[in-house]
Amino acid sequence: DVKVTQSSRYLVKRTGEKVFLECVQDMDHENMFWYRQDPGLGLRLIYFSYDVKMKEKGDIPEGYSVSREKKERFSLILESASTNQTSMYLCASSSTGTGVFFGQGTRLTVV
Amino acid sequence: AQTVTQSQPEMSVQEAETVTLSCTYDTSESDYYLFWYKQPPSRQMILVIRQEAYKQQNATENRFSVNFQKAAKSFSLKISDSQLGDAAMYFCAYRRRSRGGQGAQKLVFGQGTRLTINP
Repeated sequence: DVKVTQSSRYLVKRTGEKVFLECVQDMDHENMFWYRQDPGLGLRLIYFSYDVKMKEKGDIPEGYSVSREKKERFSLILESASTNQTSMYLCASSSTGTGVFFGQGTRLTVV
Repeated sequence: AQTVTQSQPEMSVQEAETVTLSCTYDTSESDYYLFWYKQPPSRQMILVIRQEAYKQQNATENRFSVNFQKAAKSFSLKISDSQLGDAAMYFCAYRRRSRGGQGAQKLVFGQGTRLTINP
């Protein structure tokens, strides 16, 4: 089975902190994604990566950056966390022709 | 840009009965995939069913089936013999068929429908 693992289920951070959300997949997928999920808005794509060191902005990249130094790992970085970044963050991975597989989610609260 | 719309924020059904969740989408592409994902309270997104746009036959997975109307850009999910474990948020999603290159695998999601099963 494909496994996508996010490093934390719950995080509480202070405004202005630098926050790292980590995601690891074990199926050698070339594509990895970070989504944000908010009530009434569904899932919105923040960033995605189609190869090591390659990244593309999604629909809501402002306030976020990403890093993909190794194929299996995709990190989401909040340079200076703000309260409007309180949300559920979902990591996903896929390969050409496969479905998209999700991690268990990280609920981030910024206080 | 592609969009996906789920017009029913909440639905409820009696256990053992049938329920249909609606989804419409907008795209100029002719070749794409459509999906239904289930998100139970555990928050893990689970793929329920997948439809390829070039296939006329509606996809079926056990108690789950779809009604795919390509001309109308409609993709509804029917759950038969509803069970308590079906209670979850359901998301409709779209992805264009990969032609290689960047961005081909992005999923576009609807806003979700919360399904409640009444015992």
